[in-house]
Amino acid sequence: GAGVSQSPSNKVTEKGKDVELRCDPISGHTALYWYRQSLGQGLEFLIYFQGNSAPDKSGLPSDRFSAERTGGSVSTLTIQRTQQEDSAVYLCASSLGPSGGGAYEQYFGPGTRLTVT
Amino acid sequence: GDSVTQMEGPVTLSEEAFLTINCTYTATGYPSLFWYVQYPGEGLQLLLKATKADDKGSNKGFEATYRKETTSFHLEKGSVQVSDSAVYFCALSSLNTGNQFYFGTGTSLTVIP
Repeated sequence: GAGVSQSPSNKVTEKGKDVELRCDPISGHTALYWYRQSLGQGLEFLIYFQGNSAPDKSGLPSDRFSAERTGGSVSTLTIQRTQQEDSAVYLCASSLGPSGGGAYEQYFGPGTRLTVT
Repeated sequence: GDSVTQMEGPVTLSEEAFLTINCTYTATGYPSLFWYVQYPGEGLQLLLKATKADDKGSNKGFEATYRKETTSFHLEKGSVQVSDSAVYFCALSSLNTGNQFYFGTGTSLTVIP
């Protein structure tokens, strides 16, 4: 079956523009995660969805960042008024259920490389 | 808060050499511990995990033992191959921190023939 897919694979945008990043999880996976990987940094947790709701938004770095998930499937991460420090690889992962404590394995997409000029 | 610290890279080894990548953690609860691997051009994938103290995770010749007394989860392999060249990430997750995963910064490994 298909894995987690993300689009676009690369995005170059000008400072101040809005961008939307898309994640298509594995079919049937109820949990979905967004992470950010900046140069020289580990993966930074951004947000977690269970179904269409986001019980944990604590990782979103500012109110310029938002995310939604519809139909328990596709998720979109939106960054408004992009800044140069938003440049990073944005990773999406999905799992059959909540992964906390290792209950279910997370499957990662290939990521979207965002460059803000 | 919870965090993971792993050995800085990059690491370069000759084929058949012994590999150790150090990982230590800080956690308020009783976390599960993971190693993820990212091969060139691919997404992260789970390599192995351990969910309680003294558990040993193993996969593809790699091993890591959950040591509560030293708060460590070092990754080891007795004889590395060129195909093991990748970036390795240590991570933890605790039920008492919801479903957040905390990842280390990654260690790049290059194995030369």
